[in-house]
Amino acid sequence: DVKVTQSSRYLVKRTGEKVFLECVQDMDHENMFWYRQDPGLGLRLIYFSYDVKMKEKGDIPEGYSVSREKKERFSLILESASTNQTSMYLCASSWDRENYEQYFGPGTRLTVT
Amino acid sequence: AQSVTQLGSHVSVSEGALVLLRCNYSSSVPPYLFWYVQYPNQGLQLLLKYTTGATLVKGINGFEAEFKKSETSFHLTKPSAHMSDAAEYFCAVRRGGYNKLIFGAGTRLAVHP
Repeated sequence: DVKVTQSSRYLVKRTGEKVFLECVQDMDHENMFWYRQDPGLGLRLIYFSYDVKMKEKGDIPEGYSVSREKKERFSLILESASTNQTSMYLCASSWDRENYEQYFGPGTRLTVT
Repeated sequence: AQSVTQLGSHVSVSEGALVLLRCNYSSSVPPYLFWYVQYPNQGLQLLLKYTTGATLVKGINGFEAEFKKSETSFHLTKPSAHMSDAAEYFCAVRRGGYNKLIFGAGTRLAVHP
């Protein structure tokens, strides 16, 4: 079974703090993704990575950065957290073969106060 | 450009009744289509997918969906709802390379006795 794990299920941070969200997958997937999920908006892509050290912006990259130093690990960084970044963050991974689905982690609910 | 529209943000059915969740898509290329389910406080789990071939796709937990190219639809059905089906359901279409997906806004299904 594919397993995608996220470092925290719940996180509370203060405005201005630097926040790290970590994601690890155990299936040697090439592609990894970070989404945020907000009610009524579905999932929106923040960043994705298609190889180690390779990344591309998604639809809402502002205020976020990412790091992928090892194939199995993909980190999302909030350089200076703000209250409008309070959300559910979901990590996913996928093989880079045309018709393969994404596999999701359990999510991290981040609250910025 | 690809997009996904899910009709109805909330659907309520009685236990044992038919479940019908609607999804319409737009895609400039032959679409790959997915339905995911999210149970409370969990990540997304794949229910079923359509890539090529048979247009009626069967998934887990008794769900199925039919790809109708002429209607640009991929509606999700289940003949008889169970209380455990209460969850949020997301339709998605593949966009571009790297198995990126674009998601609909989601439909929350409630099942009452």
